Amino acid sequence: SAVISQKPSRDICQRGTSLTIQCQVDSQVTMMFWYRQQPGQSLTLIATANQGSEATYESGFVIDKFPISRPNLTFSTLTVSNMSPEDSSIYLCSEGPYGYTFGSGTRLTVV
Amino acid sequence: DAKTTQPTSMDCAEGRAANLPCNHSTISGNEYVYWYRQIHSQGPQYIIHGLKNNETNEMASLIITEDRKSSTLILPHATLRDTAVYYCIVPGGTSYGKLTFGQGTILTVHP
Repeated sequence: SAVISQKPSRDICQRGTSLTIQCQVDSQVTMMFWYRQQPGQSLTLIATANQGSEATYESGFVIDKFPISRPNLTFSTLTVSNMSPEDSSIYLCSEGPYGYTFGSGTRLTVV
Repeated sequence: DAKTTQPTSMDCAEGRAANLPCNHSTISGNEYVYWYRQIHSQGPQYIIHGLKNNETNEMASLIITEDRKSSTLILPHATLRDTAVYYCIVPGGTSYGKLTFGQGTILTVHP
């Protein structure tokens, strides 16, 4: 199965700033996804990262807040923009379909 | 996605079998059942999936009832490291490749 390297593993950011999270897969994968896990909650899908085109966002998530890139079949980034304390969560990427492998997550704290 | 129902929490003694139930009474004929787990502070881990036949791998066994309305994940010899949140997911329809996580079952394995 694929191996995903996700970084940073954690960060503490000031409100109003942006953070870009990277996921590198060790092989070409068809699909990549980004999830958010708020404290004490389950995972919520943010978007599907599409190679060479705009990401497909789930209800409640917008491109201006969570811009996503996927320049090739092994790499994707998620940016959390104009952060507020409510954005404090764990952000995870996965490969698909059906997420056989997940990244280890980025624990973001916004102060 | 077909809705799934799982108990909120379960306990299991170390060395005994852990049997985690999942109800998916609205599942369609071509929808698979997937199981994942999330150990504290880590990304989710794929365990097993199946359509209608029982499945077994090095981690677990999946028993799906004949009417496919429920399934049971079996960890044959639970260890303390199996303490985690276990998610039963039935992706399908227009949700190709995507996973919708519910609240899962918190399994606690005790000595």
